[in-house]
Amino acid sequence: DAGVIQSPRHEVTEMGQEVTLRCKPISGHNSLFWYRQTMMRGLELLIYFNNNVPIDDSGMPEDRFSAKMPNASFSTLKIQPSEPRDSAVYFCASSLFDNQPQHFGDGTRLSIL
Amino acid sequence: DAKTTQPTSMDCAEGRAANLPCNHSTISGNEYVYWYRQIHSQGPQYIIHGLKNNETNEMASLIITEDRKSSTLILPHATLRDTAVYYCIVREPNNDMRFGAGTRLTVKP
Repeated sequence: DAGVIQSPRHEVTEMGQEVTLRCKPISGHNSLFWYRQTMMRGLELLIYFNNNVPIDDSGMPEDRFSAKMPNASFSTLKIQPSEPRDSAVYFCASSLFDNQPQHFGDGTRLSIL
Repeated sequence: DAKTTQPTSMDCAEGRAANLPCNHSTISGNEYVYWYRQIHSQGPQYIIHGLKNNETNEMASLIITEDRKSSTLILPHATLRDTAVYYCIVREPNNDMRFGAGTRLTVKP
């Protein structure tokens, strides 16, 4: 079975550039979650969607971050403009419903120079 | 802040049971206990979850105390591939899952 698919796996870019991270959830799952993991802060929930609608974006650090889910099989997390402190591993997870176990992708390792 | 307390690290001999404790003394009646693990450079992997009763699946067993203030994850026959960071999480009704620092389990041959 295909799990959660994230792309790219690694991204290195210069400060000020726009970064777009992509996620394909498990087919049939109705909830999608974006997380960020750093050594300092651990794993943090940024935003989650139910049926393509954003439900809770209180974890989004600032206006430079935005997330969309145009359909049930695709979501993006965009950072514009990017800053060095955005360097982290970004994970996408999906679940059948929002109170069910979440299944994570292998993440995007983002480095902002 | 994470609502759980776990030991920073543990060792276990290969083939033996690994018992990972977790304290969650402030858990509310409608909050579930979830366990995930993360192997280096991979995404967190769901293991098991429970509310009140003990649970078992193909990966592990979860023992929750009667007062629900603590729980133990049991890997019955640990292998080298079980070396990972194990996270105990109290899942809030708003679906927020706060991952703490977890327990780094090292399975030794």
